[in-house]
Amino acid sequence: GAVVSQHPSWVICKSGTSVKIECRSLDFQATTMFWYRQFPKQSLMLMATSNEGSKATYEQGVEKDKFLINHASLTLSTLTVTSAHPEDSSFYICSARGPIDTEAFFGQGTRLTVV
Amino acid sequence: GNSVTQMEGPVTLSEEAFLTINCTYTATGYPSLFWYVQYPGEGLQLLLKATKADDKGSNKGFEATYRKETTSFHLEKGSVQVSDSAVYFCALGWYNQGGKLIFGQGTELSVKP
Repeated sequence: GAVVSQHPSWVICKSGTSVKIECRSLDFQATTMFWYRQFPKQSLMLMATSNEGSKATYEQGVEKDKFLINHASLTLSTLTVTSAHPEDSSFYICSARGPIDTEAFFGQGTRLTVV
Repeated sequence: GNSVTQMEGPVTLSEEAFLTINCTYTATGYPSLFWYVQYPGEGLQLLLKATKADDKGSNKGFEATYRKETTSFHLEKGSVQVSDSAVYFCALGWYNQGGKLIFGQGTELSVKP
């Protein structure tokens, strides 16, 4: 199947700093990418949907100024957690799908710890 | 609202035991239903799916049937292996709405030799 790569796999940052997480589709063009957040022992919660070249659509309750999403190319989307705080510590997962695909392919996730 | 509920884990089984992981959903319209698997240190992989009522999805010995009358999509496997140890997620989605997925909380399966 298609490969989606997330980077970094884990990151520790200080409170108040910003962190960027990359999501790349390695062997297909991802017209749509999704960003999820997962708390321990809980569901993956959809944060936002991004279409290449367009502004991301955020789910209710997700702060768009806090979680900046950019999808500037067909193979790369980034999630930037701005002014991170300990409550932003979580597991972030992206997925990507092509223009005619019915399946979305997932990255391996990024463990963010804010200290 | 739309939601997915899975049985709580962890589930611990001996090799060759029968596996059932329950999944029920609440949804408007006619969603597709999915099971994803996450092996340690890896991303989610699609295990199987069903797009309409009474469809049966199957893959790698796993199967699940889309039951509209009971709003369920239980995952089953007749004989589990140690290599099946992973976290399993039930999900629903509407691909005509851009492919967004709503996930259950995941069920951890541990298979002992």
